[in-house]
Amino acid sequence: KAGVTQTPRYLIKTRGQQVTLSCSPISGHRSVSWYQQTPGQGLQFLFEYFSETQRNKGNFPGRFSGRQFSNSRSEMNVSTLELGDSALYLCASREGLQAYEQYFGPGTRLTVT
Amino acid sequence: AQRVTQPEKLLSVFKGAPVELKCNYSYSGSPELFWYVQYSRQRLQLLLRHISRESIKGFTADLNKGETSFHLKKPFAQEEDSAMYYCALSNSGYALNFGKGTSLLVTP
Repeated sequence: KAGVTQTPRYLIKTRGQQVTLSCSPISGHRSVSWYQQTPGQGLQFLFEYFSETQRNKGNFPGRFSGRQFSNSRSEMNVSTLELGDSALYLCASREGLQAYEQYFGPGTRLTVT
Repeated sequence: AQRVTQPEKLLSVFKGAPVELKCNYSYSGSPELFWYVQYSRQRLQLLLRHISRESIKGFTADLNKGETSFHLKKPFAQEEDSAMYYCALSNSGYALNFGKGTSLLVTP
């Protein structure tokens, strides 16, 4: 099976802009989670989607949002970008909410200038 | 509140030496604990899960509820073990709460 794919792999945006990142899970996986990775804070959970519904949410401002489509693909959106949003955004999929193993994508490197 | 602490940012050992990567957690319930690993230029991947109690690539980890620890151990480190290791906690199938990671460097 193909692994988790994320597009784009790299992005450069300006403060105040918005950005949309995309994640395609492993075929058959219905749960998609998003994480933000920074040198200072490490890996932090953003949110998880299952069957097009947000099931869990981390401690991030409302500027961070996401959605999941009927084919389980997911997007996350960050509005009004700030310099501190520069990070590697990782997507992970698993078969369902009770599946313990998460499979990670390669990440999208977002740089905000 | 859930918290995962990995006290060492960097751990350097010689090939063949024992290695222990420390992980402490705080959680009031019965957590699920994991070790994830990221080798250079590869994706983050699951290494161990505490419930499975198995040895993967020579690594083992024992959950010590009294000390709230889940240290990762290997008796003889190999150069290919050099990687970033993350301890993670999950509450009943919910999202992973990661520690900040320990970079393991095994030198010849």
